[in-house]
Amino acid sequence: GEKVEQHESTLSVREGDSAVINCTYTDTASSYFPWYKQEAEKSLHFVIDIRSNVDRKQSQRLIVLLDKKAKRFSLHITATQPEDSAIYFCAAASSGSWQLIFGSGTQLTVMP
Amino acid sequence: DTTVKQNPRYKLARVGKPVNLICSQTMNHDTMYWYQKKPNQAPKLLLFYYDKILNREADTFEKFQSSRPNNSFCSLYIGSAGLEYSAMYLCASSLGTGGDEQYFGPGTRLTVL
Repeated sequence: GEKVEQHESTLSVREGDSAVINCTYTDTASSYFPWYKQEAEKSLHFVIDIRSNVDRKQSQRLIVLLDKKAKRFSLHITATQPEDSAIYFCAAASSGSWQLIFGSGTQLTVMP
Repeated sequence: DTTVKQNPRYKLARVGKPVNLICSQTMNHDTMYWYQKKPNQAPKLLLFYYDKILNREADTFEKFQSSRPNNSFCSLYIGSAGLEYSAMYLCASSLGTGGDEQYFGPGTRLTVL
């Protein structure tokens, strides 16, 4: 079955710098790649996604890149702010599947 | 209201005793999910309901039961809790399939002693 690996378990950046979180997946049938954010003492919430028909998507300061050949996708947060500090989870799903396979999360800390 | 509610937020259970966790949403979502989350691990899908149809993961098939009496409510039932069931249990809902945004509840932290 699908496996999603999230390479950085922790990441620290200075406020204003960019942060990059990388994930890889194993199933070539995966076509949907969402990212979720969990702030301290709060539940997971959706931040951005990308589907396999594109290789780049941007929403304000968030950019998601998808490299289908390498089976790799990444979340770029530009001009980081303290409120970006959270755990970020990547996930993957096959077309028509109900099952999201999550990575184990990256704790991002944005230092002032 | 895009809130998914879970009750209780914390649950203490004895080994061998049953546990029942409750989830509700008022977004009229067709799909409701239950995940198990242990520290430093990925959320793991246990089962999901699409409308009235229950789908359970093969490796957790015998460990967890669920019911969905109406569109808004979904329960997770453990018949006999073991120490390995200690975890955060996350409920989520989505409009349709896994390709739709999932809305997560705050979780129920289950501790089995």
